[in-house]
Amino acid sequence: GAGVSQSPSNKVTEKGKDVELRCDPISGHTALYWYRQRLGQGLEFLIYFQGNSAPDKSGLPSDRFSAERTGESVSTLTIQRTQQEDSAVYLCASSLRDANTEAFFGQGTRLTVV
Amino acid sequence: AQTVTQSQPEMSVQEAETVTLSCTYDTSESDYYLFWYKQPPSRQMILVIRQEAYKQQNATENRFSVNFQKAAKSFSLKISDSQLGDAAMYFCAYRSNYGGSQGNLIFGKGTKLSVKP
Repeated sequence: GAGVSQSPSNKVTEKGKDVELRCDPISGHTALYWYRQRLGQGLEFLIYFQGNSAPDKSGLPSDRFSAERTGESVSTLTIQRTQQEDSAVYLCASSLRDANTEAFFGQGTRLTVV
Repeated sequence: AQTVTQSQPEMSVQEAETVTLSCTYDTSESDYYLFWYKQPPSRQMILVIRQEAYKQQNATENRFSVNFQKAAKSFSLKISDSQLGDAAMYFCAYRSNYGGSQGNLIFGKGTKLSVKP
């Protein structure tokens, strides 16, 4: 597709269950970002992938959170043993390698933990 | 670590008037880029304008312009002739270009802009 695609768009899960969120970046984009946005709040950085370099995981809030990316393609964000405070919109973005390039965002996955 | 601060959680402007949104950042780097993104209620993030730190000239995109003060580490967004469609959350963002390598994209907490008819 032409844009960044995220799935599912909405996810309701029970507390304690694991969830997996998917992001399909724009083809050719080497950089991929995950952010968390709580209701009415700003974008909280989670993790950043750039090509084949080691990812910047400094934003992951706990060891329940992990993310993978194979090469320059799809990324999955996994949250284990979900808690109610994990409820948020999870946004993915991708961009070209150069620092001045625009980051294109997906529509996000709204996660609700009940 | 770099930080981005938006000190105005909410702002309001009358339609057709001008409004300025503030952003300050903290960095020890000299080569970086600054961005303003807009997030309407649809949740879709949209790039409004970008500025290269090495360029002294302020970026302009139609009704949107910035006041970039590198020494003060300030990067404000001016919206002229405000329109109802400008109502949204506005996020300031920083990305380093250290050694020519793209760094992480760091956002401020955002400013919610309301436009009154």
